[in-house]
Amino acid sequence: GESVGLHLPTLSVQEGDNSIINCAYSNSASDYFIWYKQESGKGPQFIIDIRSNMDKRQGQRVTVLLNKTVKHLSLQIAATQPGDSAVYFCAETAGTASKLTFGTGTRLQVTL
Amino acid sequence: EADIYQTPRYLVIGTGKKITLECSQTMGHDKMYWYQQDPGMELHLIHYSYGVNSTEKGDLSSESTVSRIRTEHFPLTLESARPSHTSQYLCASSYRGKGENIQYFGAGTRLSVL
Repeated sequence: GESVGLHLPTLSVQEGDNSIINCAYSNSASDYFIWYKQESGKGPQFIIDIRSNMDKRQGQRVTVLLNKTVKHLSLQIAATQPGDSAVYFCAETAGTASKLTFGTGTRLQVTL
Repeated sequence: EADIYQTPRYLVIGTGKKITLECSQTMGHDKMYWYQQDPGMELHLIHYSYGVNSTEKGDLSSESTVSRIRTEHFPLTLESARPSHTSQYLCASSYRGKGENIQYFGAGTRLSVL
């Protein structure tokens, strides 16, 4: 049920600046990673994905970087806009499994 | 915009009532999932299905049950709601193919049990 747990880590950036959101994972067998954006009152929305045979993938204003050596994933958002304000989750899966394991999330606040 | 729909969006109900949260998708996805998410917290998988007549419990123990009689429909039922069930419930579906495994989410049902 509802619980007062740890607050999400929060990243505050000024409009127009670049944002970098980080995610660490622990399963060395994970080979597919996704970033989701969740706005208040909505379900998570797919942003970008990357397979483990890549270390970088670019989308529109977003770039995902994967460092398998240290099991680290990052999402870079260029020229951050107020509409980017949301909670961002990374998710991972391994092999043929369809289940995703979600990270704890980071709240991005864009200041004017 | 994903074609996955959840109803109701909000539900306030008394303790002991039986409730069913509806989830439907029109994308023809074979896999569907239910997650529980408390405000500002991570998503926890409570049920999933890999196809018709297939249901499995997720990583987080839940007193709810699910059924998958049709590909497009994956309802979640609580036989006797309790205040501890107060949370947001998110439904998702996916199709694994061409190297991707993207889950598409509905808008969620926010449940409050008094």
